[in-house]
Amino acid sequence: AQSVTQLDSHVSVSEGTPVLLRCNYSSSYSPSLFWYVQHPNKGLQLLLKYTSAATLVKGINGFEAEFKKSETSFHLTKPSAHMSDAAEYFCVVSGGNNDMRFGAGTRLTVKP
Amino acid sequence: DGGITQSPKYLFRKEGQNVTLSCEQNLNHDAMYWYRQDPGQGLRLIYYSQIVNDFQKGDIAEGYSVSREKKESFPLTVTSAQKNPTAFYLCASSSRRGLYEQYFGPGTRLTVT
Repeated sequence: AQSVTQLDSHVSVSEGTPVLLRCNYSSSYSPSLFWYVQHPNKGLQLLLKYTSAATLVKGINGFEAEFKKSETSFHLTKPSAHMSDAAEYFCVVSGGNNDMRFGAGTRLTVKP
Repeated sequence: DGGITQSPKYLFRKEGQNVTLSCEQNLNHDAMYWYRQDPGQGLRLIYYSQIVNDFQKGDIAEGYSVSREKKESFPLTVTSAQKNPTAFYLCASSSRRGLYEQYFGPGTRLTVT
């Protein structure tokens, strides 16, 4: 079985400052990991995915995430926040039993 | 354009009525999913289907039903047996179930009064 914990329910940053959204996972198998973004009343959009290739994964809109097996983490980062980054972000783990698990989400607020 | 469509975007129903939410995809994906999202919570899986004419219960299937008669369509019926049906419902698809990313529709917000 697998599970995912997003360590912060809400993160607030100023525009132009770095973003860090934290995610820890648990999986009995070599997992695939994903980050999705959701704007209000919209569906989820895939930001990036890790599937056992390079541990540093680059995604859309300047986001990236690093898979750290020793720490069971997959934190999402961006060097400089933009107002349009304000949204809900979900970390997702998928393991060998075809089961995909979503974190509870982190709401990112970007202050001008 | 390839993608997933859900209709309607907003849906209002009286308590005790069944209601069907539509989900269509033209991505030629084998697997389709229905999720429920409540405020402050992640997504919870209601049902999934890996192939036409086959579907499986997810974590919260009680009070819901689905069908998969065509590859591109996976409608969800919220029955009167669902105790708290008011929620945001998201449909998704993937090429196969498992390690593959899922693509999401825009969602349907259901309000039952």
